[in-house]
Amino acid sequence: EDQVTQSPEALRLQEGESSSLNCSYTVSGLRGLFWYRQDPGKGPEFLFTLYSAGEEKEKERLKATLTKKESFLHITAPKPEDSATYLCAVWQEGGKLIFGQGTELSVKP
Amino acid sequence: GAVVSQHPSWVICKSGTSVKIECRSLDFQATTMFWYRQFPKQSLMLMATSNEGSKATYEQGVEKDKFLINHASLTLSTLTVTSAHPEDSSFYICSALTMVNTEAFFGQGTRLTVV
Repeated sequence: EDQVTQSPEALRLQEGESSSLNCSYTVSGLRGLFWYRQDPGKGPEFLFTLYSAGEEKEKERLKATLTKKESFLHITAPKPEDSATYLCAVWQEGGKLIFGQGTELSVKP
Repeated sequence: GAVVSQHPSWVICKSGTSVKIECRSLDFQATTMFWYRQFPKQSLMLMATSNEGSKATYEQGVEKDKFLINHASLTLSTLTVTSAHPEDSSFYICSALTMVNTEAFFGQGTRLTVV
């Protein structure tokens, strides 16, 4: 059964305290892995797409990496405005996205 | 990034009535759109895949007669919740897949409350 698991479920950081979020997956026919940010009451905001193991992408304080079994979202020196739920999703044939349950990140000043 | 517009952002309706939610891709064409449902503190659950000009494909457990999906053009898909009941109250989100590259963008979501 295709599955996407994110850890931890919740993460509390002090401003400036770097950390990583994990997304592990067991999916047949993986065509890509997406990372999104979701604020309360809003739709997910696209961050990255990763297509192959070894690929890395960066955007401001965020860096996403991908292996054959998992992806990491590294947050360097986070700020309070980085507080949100971060979702990863794997893209299967036909464009279907299977989402993990998300990591709720809270960054305190 | 590409823009997907979803309307309305929120709606309150009486039990037994129907509600239509629109999803538009504003600056790109999307042959495929997806409808998700999200409960509080939970992730997105795919309800159905909407293909332009053909019938939607529903995920297991989703009632196709209750959640009517129409993808009339390359930029518009609609989800109609028929004979809504309080248990249909949820956050509904659409996404559209770009034809050119492999990116999926989401609408801002619709908060449905059935009273």
